[in-house]
Amino acid sequence: DVKVTQSSRYLVKRTGEKVFLECVQDMDHENMFWYRQDPGLGLRLIYFSYDVKMKEKGDIPEGYSVSREKKERFSLILESASTNQTSMYLCASSSLSSSGALTIIPQFFGPGTRLTVL
Amino acid sequence: GQNIDQPTEMTATEGAIVQINCTYQTSGFNGLFWYQQHAGEAPTFLSYNVLDGLEEKGRFSSFLSRSKGYSYLLLKELQMKDSASYLCAVTDSNYQLIWGAGTKLIIKP
Repeated sequence: DVKVTQSSRYLVKRTGEKVFLECVQDMDHENMFWYRQDPGLGLRLIYFSYDVKMKEKGDIPEGYSVSREKKERFSLILESASTNQTSMYLCASSSLSSSGALTIIPQFFGPGTRLTVL
Repeated sequence: GQNIDQPTEMTATEGAIVQINCTYQTSGFNGLFWYQQHAGEAPTFLSYNVLDGLEEKGRFSSFLSRSKGYSYLLLKELQMKDSASYLCAVTDSNYQLIWGAGTKLIIKP
C-alpha cells in the first residue's frame, strides 16, 4: 500500500522556535509538495520539489524553507515560528507526467501535521 | 483573480443521491480534480476531468463543462462513510493548481 507519512500528527511550539516538519514517501515519486490547510480556504502551496536538492516557491513561501536531500524525504522548516503559522500542514507526492507538468497528475497526501504556535 | 466556488456544507440522507457543484474562474484550464478528505485524514484522489462530459467510477461520477466553468461530483447510494469534505481543484493554463475550500458533506441515517 502506497504511503506518505509525516513525522508528527500534532505539534505545539512557542513563538520564535525553529520547527521541522518531516515527510517521507515510499512510492519513488519525483515530485513532493508542502501545503497548509486553513478553515474556509483552499489548500495553499508553500513549496514544492521536482527532484532531489531542487525546490521551488509556491504561493506562500514567506517564513518557510524546505530541504530535499533524498528522493523520499521532503522537510519543511519554519525558521522562527509565529502564531500566524498555526495551521494544518499537508505533504503530498506525485509521479512524473508525460509532459513534465506537475499539476496534471494526482497527488498522494500524508495525514497532516496540526501545528499550534503559542 | 482566480477563484473556485463550492458550497460550504451539504446534508443528504443515507441511500440517496447528492450532487456537489464546483464552479471556477481561472486563466485557462488544464484539468479538474476531485479529492475526498475525511475529518483528520489525508485527502485522497477521486477523479480527474480534462474533457467535457461525465466520467463514472462506481458510485461516484464527475462531470465537466469547460465552456461553463463548471463541474459536479455525483455520489449515488450514499453510505455513512461518505461523510467527508470534497475538494475541487483546477489546473490553469500556467499549470498552477488552484484549490477550492471544500464542501463538507453530512450524511444522515
